[in-house]
Amino acid sequence: SYELTQPPSVSVSPGQTARITCSGDALPRQYAYWYQQRPGQAPVLVIYKDNQRPSGIPERFSGSTSGTTVTLTISGVQAEDEADYYCQSADSSSTYYVFGTGTKVTVL
Amino acid sequence: EVQLVQSGAEVKKAGESLKISCKGSEYSFTNYWIGWVRQMPGKGLEWMGIIYPGDSDTRYSPSFQGQVTISADKSLNTAYLQWSSLQASDTAIYYCATWYSSTFYAYFDSWGQGTLVTVSS
Repeated sequence: SYELTQPPSVSVSPGQTARITCSGDALPRQYAYWYQQRPGQAPVLVIYKDNQRPSGIPERFSGSTSGTTVTLTISGVQAEDEADYYCQSADSSSTYYVFGTGTKVTVL
Repeated sequence: EVQLVQSGAEVKKAGESLKISCKGSEYSFTNYWIGWVRQMPGKGLEWMGIIYPGDSDTRYSPSFQGQVTISADKSLNTAYLQWSSLQASDTAIYYCATWYSSTFYAYFDSWGQGTLVTVSS
């Protein structure tokens, strides 16, 4: 199987920048995707193909990649950004599709 | 806008069978993969499997192969997730979502509202 590892939690003050990492051996060869899940709601895609933003997603959400780690950055964090965030990708052969372990973002 | 509407919450006993549904609209149902995701209470998202309604080609995560069955009825624009014998550990919220994939990318785009399945032992 294949695993993607995220920090369990990130805390940030309003207006500051939150960075959430996701590590996996195949990430240099596979795109990463990011989902936001607010409490009691279904997930929502916020970044696709490493750094592309779907329509309707605020510009403060951005994605980047460096080696085996991808990063979701939320600039100018707002209270509404408090949620769980999951990365998703595939192993090198696209046999296994997996979600990351998830990161809870708390806005102080 | 793509819409996925899932069936309502279910309360079952261990050993019982169950089939939950996900109806798609406002897009070409037969031309896009659709998948299922499990979220156990207080836990993260788990990729279960996907189906292509056009020809019923189905792929499962090894963790769920043999544990559930994914199917689709393209005449009804509906995908299904079923269990032949539920266990208490199947208690979870199950989401359906459209799966966009090609040689170079693969991800869930539009999501259903989720179906809560509660299994008592």
